[in-house]
Amino acid sequence: AQRVTQPEKLLSVFKGAPVELKCNYSYSGSPELFWYVQYSRQRLQLLLRHISRESIKGFTADLNKGETSFHLKKPFAQEEDSAMYYCALLKPGSARQLTFGSGTQLTVLP
Amino acid sequence: NAGVTQTPKFRVLKTGQSMTLLCAQDMNHEYMYWYRQDPGMGLRLIHYSVGEGTTAKGEVPDGYNVSRLKKQNFLLGLESAAPSQTSVYFCASSLRRGAIQETQYFGPGTRLLVL
Repeated sequence: AQRVTQPEKLLSVFKGAPVELKCNYSYSGSPELFWYVQYSRQRLQLLLRHISRESIKGFTADLNKGETSFHLKKPFAQEEDSAMYYCALLKPGSARQLTFGSGTQLTVLP
Repeated sequence: NAGVTQTPKFRVLKTGQSMTLLCAQDMNHEYMYWYRQDPGMGLRLIHYSVGEGTTAKGEVPDGYNVSRLKKQNFLLGLESAAPSQTSVYFCASSLRRGAIQETQYFGPGTRLLVL
């Protein structure tokens, strides 16, 4: 069965510092991975997906199949980046189910 | 276009009571999902549906039932609520596999407290 691990429950960085949110997965096939974000008092929303190889709000994430990781990075954190971040793995098949990690609460300090 | 909406926003139940949570989407999505979110555990899939009239069990289905009588609605029922079902419940919907804009869109959540 697939599994997603986010080892850090809480992460604090200062504004302007680099930030990396860790995500490791276990899956035997070719994974499809996502990062979702939940800002305070807002609903969960997609931040980025690995197949798009995009940069959203300055965030990037690279899939490393050798290390089975999909870490989320941003070179210069902003206060508005403070939120809960979830890494998710898409289970192949017709239902397109997502398996979520336990989440990392990022706080960017002024 | 309201996206995904959930009713109610908050509810308090006594052990043994029943209730139904309603999820509605106006995006003509085929797939719909119910998750629960608990501290330190992320989101866990309860039940899901790949189309009108079809439902299937997710990771944590015990104690819940669902129905998808209309494409735009997905109901989650608790027949006999237990304190362990105290949680925040999220509904989500998505287009079918392969759609260009495929992603799961989430509702605002329903906070349920079972005493």
